[in-house]
Amino acid sequence: EDQVTQSPEALRLQEGESSSLNCSYTVSGLRGLFWYRQDPGKGPEFLFTLYSAGEEKEKERLKATLTKKESFLHITAPKPEDSATYLCAVQGNDMRFGAGTRLTVKP
Amino acid sequence: NAGVTQTPKFQVLKTGQSMTLQCAQDMNHEYMSWYRQDPGMGLRLIHYSVGAGITDQGEVPNGYNVSRSTTEDFPLRLLSAAPSQTSVYFCASSYSGRRSSPLHFGNGTRLTVT
Repeated sequence: EDQVTQSPEALRLQEGESSSLNCSYTVSGLRGLFWYRQDPGKGPEFLFTLYSAGEEKEKERLKATLTKKESFLHITAPKPEDSATYLCAVQGNDMRFGAGTRLTVKP
Repeated sequence: NAGVTQTPKFQVLKTGQSMTLQCAQDMNHEYMSWYRQDPGMGLRLIHYSVGAGITDQGEVPNGYNVSRSTTEDFPLRLLSAAPSQTSVYFCASSYSGRRSSPLHFGNGTRLTVT
């Protein structure tokens, strides 16, 4: 069965303190790996799609990378407005979501 | 451009009551789906549709019904509410479920069953 595990569950950073979020997956036939951002009381908002190992995507302070077993979301010099829950999802036969990493960035 | 619109935002039901959660999208997306989100768990797929007149079950379909009579609308019906259905429900759509297209989500319906 397809599975997605995100770590850590929660991460607290100081403003400017770079770090990475992990998404480990097992899937039969990866058709895409997605990263979403979710703010409290809102629906997830799409960030990136990665399709094959070695691929990288960047947007402002965020960079997503993909290997055959995991994906990382690197956050460089985060700001308080980056505080949110970050969700990873893999598309195999269906779309499976991880439980998310709740990121808090303190000023 | 409204995207995906869900109503209501909040709902409280008593055990055994029925209700319909509404979802509409204005992006002409073929694929629509319903997820539930519970603390500590990932979003779980309830039902999905790849086009008008076509629906299928997801990971957790029991206790829920759907229909898709138009491209725009995909309502979710709770037949006889149970406390285990207390959750936040999200509707999502994408260009096509057959390709790896990102999902566009509504802002959710928070349902409490007492």
